[in-house]
Amino acid sequence: DAGVIQSPRHEVTEMGQEVTLRCKLISGHNSLFWYRQTMMRGLELLIYFNNNVPIDDSGMPEDRFSAKMPNASFSTLKIQPSEPRDSAVYFCASSNRGQGYGYTFGSGTRLTVV
Amino acid sequence: GDSVTQMEGPVTLSEEAFLTINCTYTATGYPSLFWYVQYPGEGLQLLLKATKADDKGSNKGFEATYRKETTSFHLEKGSVQVSDSAVYFCALSGPMGNTPLVFGKGTRLSVIA
Repeated sequence: DAGVIQSPRHEVTEMGQEVTLRCKLISGHNSLFWYRQTMMRGLELLIYFNNNVPIDDSGMPEDRFSAKMPNASFSTLKIQPSEPRDSAVYFCASSNRGQGYGYTFGSGTRLTVV
Repeated sequence: GDSVTQMEGPVTLSEEAFLTINCTYTATGYPSLFWYVQYPGEGLQLLLKATKADDKGSNKGFEATYRKETTSFHLEKGSVQVSDSAVYFCALSGPMGNTPLVFGKGTRLSVIA
């Protein structure tokens, strides 16, 4: 299994531009989590899905952020328009809810908004 | 709500020293407990887990015991190596693992030769 795959690994964009981060889940996993990591705030849960359905998006900082799961194996996190304070490392993680034993994380996308 | 408190870092140790990273939690019911490790430039990786009281999780020489009476899950290793330098996160989830993991703030460990 290739694990959780995120793309791109690095993204540098100008303020005001739209940014789309992508995540491919591990086959058979049915829960998907998006986290943001910064030095100041640590790991923050943004949103999570069970069986493609968004369960809790209370961690999404603003309406500029949106996330989708168009199918069981893929998710996107979109920021429109982006701002410098969105600069962070964004991780997605997947799990098999039935097993209930922790997550598998992707390698992250380092986003820099200038 | 549920929460995890870890000792603040950074922790700097010499090679072969004994490591303890403290973790305590607050949760309703009986959560599952985890330690994750993040190496530079990488995502978090599951290091070990315990799902009920008195369980001991172990992996790569690291150990942690689920102590319900003290609501703790301290991470220990008898002899650290330079390659153990990383950030360590304590986390908990609901008893069936069907709620999002709640992470501590992480503890950075640096091991010097």
